[in-house]
Amino acid sequence: QQQVKQSPQSLIVQKGGISIINCAYENTAFDYFPWYQQFPGKGPALLIAIRPDVSEKKEGRFTISFNKSAKQFSLHIMDSQPGDSATYFCAASRVLMDTGRRALTFGSGTRLQVQP
Amino acid sequence: DTAVSQTPKYLVTQMGNDKSIKCEQNLGHDTMYWYKQDSKKFLKIMFSYNNKELIINETVPNRFSPKSPDKAHLNLHINSLELGDSAVYFCASSSDRGWDTEAFFGQGTRLTVV
Repeated sequence: QQQVKQSPQSLIVQKGGISIINCAYENTAFDYFPWYQQFPGKGPALLIAIRPDVSEKKEGRFTISFNKSAKQFSLHIMDSQPGDSATYFCAASRVLMDTGRRALTFGSGTRLQVQP
Repeated sequence: DTAVSQTPKYLVTQMGNDKSIKCEQNLGHDTMYWYKQDSKKFLKIMFSYNNKELIINETVPNRFSPKSPDKAHLNLHINSLELGDSAVYFCASSSDRGWDTEAFFGQGTRLTVV
């Protein structure tokens, strides 16, 4: 069962355009939503994250939009650059009922290619 | 000073062999993970360990076994390797204190079974 659904699987954007990646979840226990960026040959690294008590978070050209009622969140990359070409993963974190520890669930990933 | 390091970076081996991938973190984190990333880049959790206790174990074949000698290490042992085990395996760690826990990943181990 995929708890965090991510789309599209791949995305091609022209330089200067806007890249949009969407994620949806079902489990209302999720309370923290990070995005990870992965370059070829590297491990994923935290890019930006949001809590559900805010609807938007912006860091430079990267913005997370969060819709709590729809249980959806998205990553927007403004003025996309070839250097942004990477795989992006959304994720959702929650506290496990049986252990009290946090667990992170990843979406399936989106390959972004920004063409010069 | 690498936060999460795993070795080897590349591993080529024949079907039926047994192999291990090592992982060490120097962040003082409580929880360590193993993820498998297939050719389509899907990232799937295999195991996580917290204070030597397995807390997540997805539907992974029992040929895969995590070994944690201490909080800073989580090694992955794979027995009787199969072609379908070829993938990139990532070790990661995180602190489970606070809501804004971030997972730190190693560089990955590309396993090729021939």
